[in-house]
Amino acid sequence: KQEVTQIPAALSVPEGENLVLNCSFTDSAIYNLQWFRQDPGKGLTSLLLIQSSQREQTSGRLNASLDKSSGRSTLYIAASQPGDSATYLCAVWGSGANSKLTFGKGITLSVRP
Amino acid sequence: NAGVMQNPRHLVRRRGQEARLRCSPMKGHSHVYWYRQLPEEGLKFMVYLQKENIIDESGMPKERFSAEFPKEGPSILRIQQVVRGDSAAYFCASSQGQGEKLFFGSGTQLSVL
Repeated sequence: KQEVTQIPAALSVPEGENLVLNCSFTDSAIYNLQWFRQDPGKGLTSLLLIQSSQREQTSGRLNASLDKSSGRSTLYIAASQPGDSATYLCAVWGSGANSKLTFGKGITLSVRP
Repeated sequence: NAGVMQNPRHLVRRRGQEARLRCSPMKGHSHVYWYRQLPEEGLKFMVYLQKENIIDESGMPKERFSAEFPKEGPSILRIQQVVRGDSAAYFCASSQGQGEKLFFGSGTQLSVL
């Protein structure tokens, strides 16, 4: 059974800092990995999707990497801003038939002005 | 192109009543997933449907919960005889295909009094 872990559960940083959010998963047989952002009381917004054959994806100030063999992914946020404050969730698609997206509990990020 | 639409946004029910949660996927998406989110917990998979078919309901309690995605109309998650423990945010997501990028609705917050 796939398990996705995100540590720490919460992080507070000053504005402008570059930061890394970590994600680990137990079953390396994945189809892809996705990072989402969730604002309080809102739904999830997809940030980046990395296919299992890829090593990283970039979008603006965000860069996500994937090391499938070690079961790890990182989300790098450059020059953090107060508007980046949210919960960031990592999720993996299993590679089997009819697989589903398994989520970590998320990291709640607070960027202080 | 409207995103995933969920309604109602908030739903209050008394114990023993029925709750019906609706989800209209993005245009062109035939895969629908329902997730439940409890405070301090991650998103838990409930059920995966394609048009008129339940593909995977392994995350859904066998009693009181049911889901459908008819040929015409939205997907419905139905909870009969609700109990306080059913109080949670219920999210629907859709995709064009399995393993594709998932788009989430804003969720329905169910409160059972």
